[in-house]
Amino acid sequence: GENVEQHPSTLSVQEGDSAVIKCTYSDSASNYFPWYKQELGKRPQLIIDIRSNVGEKKDQRIAVTLNKTAKHFSLHITETQPEDSAVYFCAASNAGNMLTFGGGTRLMVKP
Amino acid sequence: GAVVSQHPSWVICKSGTSVKIECRSLDFQATTMFWYRQFPKQSLMLMATSNEGSKATYEQGVEKDKFLINHASLTLSTLTVTSAHPEDSSFYICSAKILAGVPYEQYFGPGTRLTVT
Repeated sequence: GENVEQHPSTLSVQEGDSAVIKCTYSDSASNYFPWYKQELGKRPQLIIDIRSNVGEKKDQRIAVTLNKTAKHFSLHITETQPEDSAVYFCAASNAGNMLTFGGGTRLMVKP
Repeated sequence: GAVVSQHPSWVICKSGTSVKIECRSLDFQATTMFWYRQFPKQSLMLMATSNEGSKATYEQGVEKDKFLINHASLTLSTLTVTSAHPEDSSFYICSAKILAGVPYEQYFGPGTRLTVT
């Protein structure tokens, strides 16, 4: 089955700096890669996703890149703000079926 | 749109009792619902995939006789934790896929915090 590795597990940045979180996946058949933000005790919230026919996608301060050959994808957050502090999860799925999640990254943005 | 609810939001039960958690898609019909378990400071782990009118598919290591899943309609799936033990204490989250819509996206419920004493 699919295996998703996520790094780093914790990330501390100064407000205004950029944050980058990286994930690798094992199943070359995976074609959908969402990123979720989860605050303590709450549901995961989809912040951006990318499909395998696209190499990069951007939404305001958030961007995701995908390298199918290397089987890795990354989340980039620019101009970080304290409200960006949360746990971020990457995930991968095949044709919209079950999601396999990475281990999560705890992002702390220091004001 | 695409709202998923769960009930209850939290529950405390005694060891050996059973607990039922409901997952509802409020404004859409769901082809498939998924049940996840999340322990503190850990990731979401898929427990089972539930399709309306058919038996759930459980992930390896998840006891199907302990975690009973019923998907009786296109808007409701239930997870029953039978003979609960303290190690079953966790955050249970469901998600749903829309019957007719974006095929890839899943919509998550708010989760149910289960504490077994």
